[in-house]
Amino acid sequence: AQKITQTQPGMFVQEKEAVTLDCTYDTSDQSYGLFWYKQPSSGEMIFLIYQGSYDEQNATEGRYSLNFQKARKSANLVISASQLGDSAMYFCAMSDAQGGSEKLVFGKGTKLTVNP
Amino acid sequence: DGGITQSPKYLFRKEGQNVTLSCEQNLNHDAMYWYRQDPGQGLRLIYYSQIVNDFQKGDIAEGYSVSREKKESFPLTVTSAQKNPTAFYLCASTPLAGFYNEQFFGPGTRLTVL
Repeated sequence: AQKITQTQPGMFVQEKEAVTLDCTYDTSDQSYGLFWYKQPSSGEMIFLIYQGSYDEQNATEGRYSLNFQKARKSANLVISASQLGDSAMYFCAMSDAQGGSEKLVFGKGTKLTVNP
Repeated sequence: DGGITQSPKYLFRKEGQNVTLSCEQNLNHDAMYWYRQDPGQGLRLIYYSQIVNDFQKGDIAEGYSVSREKKESFPLTVTSAQKNPTAFYLCASTPLAGFYNEQFFGPGTRLTVL
C-alpha cells in the first residue's frame, strides 16, 4: 500500500526567503502521481502542484516547484520568495490507483509559518 | 461559478443521533470522495464513488454511510455507530478522464458531538 511521510511537523521561514518542505513516499507501483495541497486556517484544500512518475522534468507552478528524486522516492516542495500568505498547513499526497479507482493517500502535513 | 459546496459549515450533534452532511458539485465530475481530518492529522478516506448508484469503502468507513443517487450529490451520514465523530469533514471530486487528476475540495464541515 502507498504511504506518504512528512517528517517536519513545523517549519519557519523569513518573508522573501525560500523554503523546502520534505515528502517521501513508498510504493511498489511504476506509475503514480504526486500532489501538494495547501490548507489555510479556513480549512479548504488548495491544489498547488502535480508531478507524474514518468515526468522527466520537475514540475513548476509560479513560486512552487517540486524537487522530484525518483530513486530516493522523494517529492519535496520548494516555495520561493515566501509571503506572509503562505503560512498554512501543507500536505503531500500520492495517487493510489489500485483496484481501478483513483484515490489519494495523504501525509500528516507540515505547518509552515512565514515570519515578517 | 463551478465548484463544490458543503453544508452546513458547522454542525453540532448529540450522542446517539445520526446526522447527514451535504456535498454538491457542479463541475460535472464523475468521482466524489469523503475525507475525515482530525487535529494535526492528514486526510483519511471514508467513502468514494466513481459513478451514480455505486460507491466503495475507504480506509475508515465504519460508522458512516453514503448514497450517490445523482451525479452532482454525495451526502455522508454519520451514524450513532461512529464512536468518535468529532472531526473536520471534506468532500472532493475529480473527473475520471485520465488518471492522476487533482481532486477539487469543498470548504468542509466541522462536526462536533456534544
